[in-house]
This record gives sequence, C-alpha cells and structure tokens, in this order.
Amino acid sequence: DVKVTQSSRYLVKRTGEKVFLECVQDMDHENMFWYRQDPGLGLRLIYFSYDVKMKEKGDIPEGYSVSREKKERFSLILESASTNQTSMYLCASRVTGGYGYTFGSGTRLTVV
Amino acid sequence: AQTVTQSQPEMSVQEAETVTLSCTYDTSESDYYLFWYKQPPSRQMILVIRQEAYKQQNATENRFSVNFQKAAKSFSLKISDSQLGDAAMYFCAYTNSGGGADGLTFGKGTHLIIQP
Repeated sequence: DVKVTQSSRYLVKRTGEKVFLECVQDMDHENMFWYRQDPGLGLRLIYFSYDVKMKEKGDIPEGYSVSREKKERFSLILESASTNQTSMYLCASRVTGGYGYTFGSGTRLTVV
Repeated sequence: AQTVTQSQPEMSVQEAETVTLSCTYDTSESDYYLFWYKQPPSRQMILVIRQEAYKQQNATENRFSVNFQKAAKSFSLKISDSQLGDAAMYFCAYTNSGGGADGLTFGKGTHLIIQP
C-alpha cells in the first residue's frame, strides 16, 4: 500500500524554537506539497517541490521554509515558531502527469 | 488565481436520506480537474470522487455522484442513502490539468452531520 508518512502526529513546541516537520513518501513521486489546515479556512498551500532541491512558494509561505535533499523526503521548517503557527499540517505527493494526490495523516502542531 | 467556494459550513441529514453539498469555483483555464475529498476525525484525506473538466458526463462512485456544470463553474456532490460513516468534513478542490507540480486549491469545507 502506497504511503505518505508524517513523522509526528502531535507536536508541542515553544515560541522561538526551530521546528522540523518531516514527510516521507514511498511512491517515487516527483511532486510534494505542504498544506496548513485551519478551521473555517480549509487547506492552504505553503510550499511545494517538483524535484530534488527544487521548491516553489505556495499561497502562505511567510514564516516557513522547506528542504528536499532526497526525492522521498520533504521537510517543512519553522525557523522561529510563533503561536500563530499553531495548526494542522498536511503533506501530500503526486506523480508528474497524474492527478492522484496522496496525503499523510497530518501533524497537529501546538506552539506555546 | 483559482478560487474554490463552499457556501455551506455545516449540513445535517437524516440517515438513509440524500444530501447535496455545494461548490463553485473560478478559473480562466479550460481544462482542469475537480475533486471531492472526505476527512473523517482520523484526519486522513480520502478521495471521494474526481471529475475531468473535458468530460461532459458527471462522475459517479457508488452512492456518490456529482453535478458538474462547467459554464456555471459549479461542482456539487450528492450523497445518496446517507450512512453514519459518511459523517466528516468534505472539501471541494481544484487543480490545473498540466500534470506538473500544481497543487490543489481547496474550499473551506463543509461539516456533514448524519442524524441516526
């Protein structure tokens, strides 16, 4: 069964900490995505990557960065976590030329 | 930029009845894909149904069907014979059909409640 795995289901961090959210896919997909989900706002695209070391800003990149050193792994980085980054974070992947997105089960991040 | 609008934050239906969730979108593209995703409390996003814009025939998957009106930019989801397991957040989503790295644009979601 193909999978997108997010390393943590729940995470609590302190304001100002550097936070890494990890996502790994086993489908050899070229494209990977990070979304943020908030009640009443739906899912919003933070960053995406279409190849190793390649990245593009999504709709809400401020306060975030990403890293993709290997094809299967896409990391979301909060350089200095703030309370307004408390949210659910979802990772997804997609093969180039296809339309099927596979999602991870999300990381609920709380910044205190 | 594309936008997706779900005007119903919450819907409630009796078990075994039919419910329709609304979605409208805005795009200048002629070819694209539309989706309905279900997100139960487990948080896993589950694809319910997909529609290619170039296809005039409405997609159907068992009890789930869509009413795709391309000119009106409308994409509603009909759930027939509602079951308790259908209770979830439902998201309408759009993506361009270029096959590249385009992400999904989501609506804000509709919380579907099934009354036993």
